[in-house]
Amino acid sequence: QSALTQPPSASGSPGQSVAISCTGTSSDVGGYDYVSWYQQHPGKAPKLMIYDVNKRPSGVPDRFSGSKSGNTASLTVSGLQAEDGADYYCGSYAGSNNVVFGGGTKLTVL
Amino acid sequence: EVQLVESGGGLVQPGGSLRLSCAASGFTFSSYWMDWVRQAPGKGLEWVANIKQDGSEKYFVDSVKGRFTISRDNAKNSLYLQMDSLRVEDTAVYYCARDRGAHTYDFWGQGTLVTVSS
Repeated sequence: QSALTQPPSASGSPGQSVAISCTGTSSDVGGYDYVSWYQQHPGKAPKLMIYDVNKRPSGVPDRFSGSKSGNTASLTVSGLQAEDGADYYCGSYAGSNNVVFGGGTKLTVL
Repeated sequence: EVQLVESGGGLVQPGGSLRLSCAASGFTFSSYWMDWVRQAPGKGLEWVANIKQDGSEKYFVDSVKGRFTISRDNAKNSLYLQMDSLRVEDTAVYYCARDRGAHTYDFWGQGTLVTVSS
């Protein structure tokens, strides 16, 4: 499978909202409601922020939300805070015990 | 508190072997699929392999099939990745991750760096 397509960068000022897209195909993003989003700070392990398209694990602020339309999923971060600056990766189940990830988006809080 | 701690990474020559370990604690290890996910320097995430709760099913990304083996010891709460015939392109940080279902990873280890170079 090909990697999911994410914009390489995104930015916003503190307090603003920013959305990061993740485009796949009907064989992955469009075919399953198993899209997840991970936050990764430099030198750290990824952290699950959103799963099953729009569910938040315990402890993740409700400023983080997820959605999906067709073959494109989105992560929206509202009320941007300095600590939200990180790399964000989307992942999608792709059937037959396969997963495909996006190339990552570097979010900069201006 | 869920903890995953990897070990075993290091520098190895092309064609060499390495065995990674992941020690799990804070949850019922035998109840979860477990996965290895890697990240090449400056690159994105790539799923490598996973193993069912009882070890009866194992799956690998095409690029490592026939070279890597995944195993687990539920009595020791440990996950392993045996890597043989290593290639330069296997250079990456290898993460052990708990799979909550459909390849969604809710907990990750800190990672262990594998460098394949002559």
